Amino acid sequence: NAGVMQNPRHLVRRRGQEARLRCSPMKGHSHVYWYRQLPEEGLKFMVYLQKENIIDESGMPKERFSAEFPKEGPSILRIQQVVRGDSAAYFCASSPLSGGTSTDTQYFGPGTRLTVL
Amino acid sequence: QQPVQSPQAVILREGEDAVINCSSSKALYSVHWYRQKHGEAPIFLMILLKGGEQKGHDKISASFNEKKQQSSLYLTASQLSYSGTYFCGTIASGGSNYKLTFGKGTLLTVNP
Repeated sequence: NAGVMQNPRHLVRRRGQEARLRCSPMKGHSHVYWYRQLPEEGLKFMVYLQKENIIDESGMPKERFSAEFPKEGPSILRIQQVVRGDSAAYFCASSPLSGGTSTDTQYFGPGTRLTVL
Repeated sequence: QQPVQSPQAVILREGEDAVINCSSSKALYSVHWYRQKHGEAPIFLMILLKGGEQKGHDKISASFNEKKQQSSLYLTASQLSYSGTYFCGTIASGGSNYKLTFGKGTLLTVNP
């Protein structure tokens, strides 16, 4: 019973390059959430997606960041033209089909640690 | 508004008890507790709903006082495996019902 999978676990990019972070939700889960964690900080909500739909992207920076959750395949968080301030751990979480309620549990993946040189 | 956790850090000897608090300035619908070890995924511990309920999981239990907008996590007879950073995540009443807002965490270290 695999949990939430994220890859790569570590990603190093130079300023100006693109970063692509992938997330495969738990089996049977159709709701995906992305969070960012800076050192010594809690997780901060970025975006909530269902299959082929962005439900809430209020936590996403307006520029350079985008997310998708296609009908087939993993959810992708894409960061264009990365800057040093994008260095952080990016976590994906998923919840079941019945999700979207405040009683729903979000299960987290192991995260992708992005370092921008 | 980010919930405030206290203490920021606590050091215990194996077998000792600890309490971690989480306070919000907003009316809350639910509180979610997670434990994260360094470099790993946050692991879900429990959800508490408004109604002042308490929950328990092995020797870890929690309470939620909705009037005070506070939740407390109780760790009894701590084990070495309890070490990690504990986060509370809150969902506000009347807002979006999925957007968890996390505190900065409480670092718990259990020594032999």
